[in-house]
Amino acid sequence: SYELTQPPSVSVSPGHTARITCSGDALPKKYAYWYQQKSGQAPVLVIYEDSKRPSGIPERFSGSSSGTMATLTISGAQVEDEADYYCYSTDSSGYPSFGGGTKLTVL
Amino acid sequence: QVQLVQSGAEVKKPGASVKVSCKASGYTFTNYYIHWVRQAPGQGLEWMGIINPSGGSTSYAQKFQGRVTMTRDTSTTTLYMQLSSLRSEDTAVFYCARDNGGVDYWGQGTLVTVSS
Repeated sequence: SYELTQPPSVSVSPGHTARITCSGDALPKKYAYWYQQKSGQAPVLVIYEDSKRPSGIPERFSGSSSGTMATLTISGAQVEDEADYYCYSTDSSGYPSFGGGTKLTVL
Repeated sequence: QVQLVQSGAEVKKPGASVKVSCKASGYTFTNYYIHWVRQAPGQGLEWMGIINPSGGSTSYAQKFQGRVTMTRDTSTTTLYMQLSSLRSEDTAVFYCARDNGGVDYWGQGTLVTVSS
């Protein structure tokens, strides 16, 4: 199966910038998607096609991708952004995979 | 609005099978593939497979091959995921999720508990 690697945890102080990375061999040619999952809830799409933001997602969420790494950036992180974040992409054959998830702590 | 509404929680004994449903609405049912994703307690998201609601073709993760069956009923716009030979490690929340390049909409999840 295709591996997407994320750091297990990231910490940030409120109002500061958090960056969560996702590395995968196929990312130079495949889009990355990012999901936020709060405790006990279903995941929510926050970034699609590397850098696009769905309607209703705050502007402080942004995404980028370069080479084999995609990055989710939360500028001016808020306490309510504390959650697990997952990246998603496919390998060169289209086989889907999720990253292992990153627990974002805002304190 | 797009909605994926899943069936309720289930408790099963080891060795049994479970069938989870996912009722789709708010979009053209046959235009979007549906993924099924598993999340064990305290763990990450695990892709199980995908179904094309138009023709019913499927692709399963190797880990679940032989144990999972994904089907659909176009008359009721409902998707189904059946997992057989359940073991305690299958205790998890199962999600259906719509594919739109990547996953865009998710069902609310169905908790399946496997316990003797």
